[in-house]
Amino acid sequence: GEKVEQHESTLSVREGDSAVINCTYTDTASSYFPWYKQEAGKSLHFVIDIRSNVDRKQSQRLIVLLDKKAKRFSLHITATQPEDSAIYFCAANGTGNYKYVFGAGTRLKVIA
Amino acid sequence: NAGVIQTPRHKVTGKGQEATLWCEPISGHSAVFWYRQTIVQGLEFLTYFRNQAPIDDSGMPKERFSAQMPNQSHSTLKIQSTQPQDSAVYLCASSLGQGGYEQYFGPGTRLTVL
Repeated sequence: GEKVEQHESTLSVREGDSAVINCTYTDTASSYFPWYKQEAGKSLHFVIDIRSNVDRKQSQRLIVLLDKKAKRFSLHITATQPEDSAIYFCAANGTGNYKYVFGAGTRLKVIA
Repeated sequence: NAGVIQTPRHKVTGKGQEATLWCEPISGHSAVFWYRQTIVQGLEFLTYFRNQAPIDDSGMPKERFSAQMPNQSHSTLKIQSTQPQDSAVYLCASSLGQGGYEQYFGPGTRLTVL
């Protein structure tokens, strides 16, 4: 089955800098790649997604890149703010196209 | 729209007792998912319903875990004879359908088995 590896377990950046979180997946059938944010003590909150028919998507300060050949996707947060501090999870939908397989999460700390 | 509702938010049980967790998906969503989150294992898929029918329970520990969706407005996850290793946050999510639809997660139920 699908496996998703999230490469950075922790990431610290200075306020205003960019943060990049990288994930790789194994199942070439995966076609949908969402990203979720989890703040302390809270549930998962959707932030952005990308489908396999595009290689780039932007929503305000968030950019997602998808490289299907390398089976790699990444989340770029530009002009980081303290409120971006959270755990970010990447996911892929794998074969079957419904359940998510999550990465282990990246704890992002934005230092003011 | 209240989002996905999960009750209770916290549950403490003694080893060997039964725990029932409830989920109310977003109205109009046909897909309901259960996941479990622990520090060690991360986020794990448990089971999935589409239009109330069970589709995939491949993530469920077979002997003590069961899930049902008796109507479109709620799903339950039942754990019999709870064990300390069942301690986790159990998350319910719903989406409009399968195939690349965003899943909306509830606040979770934190289960602690003493």
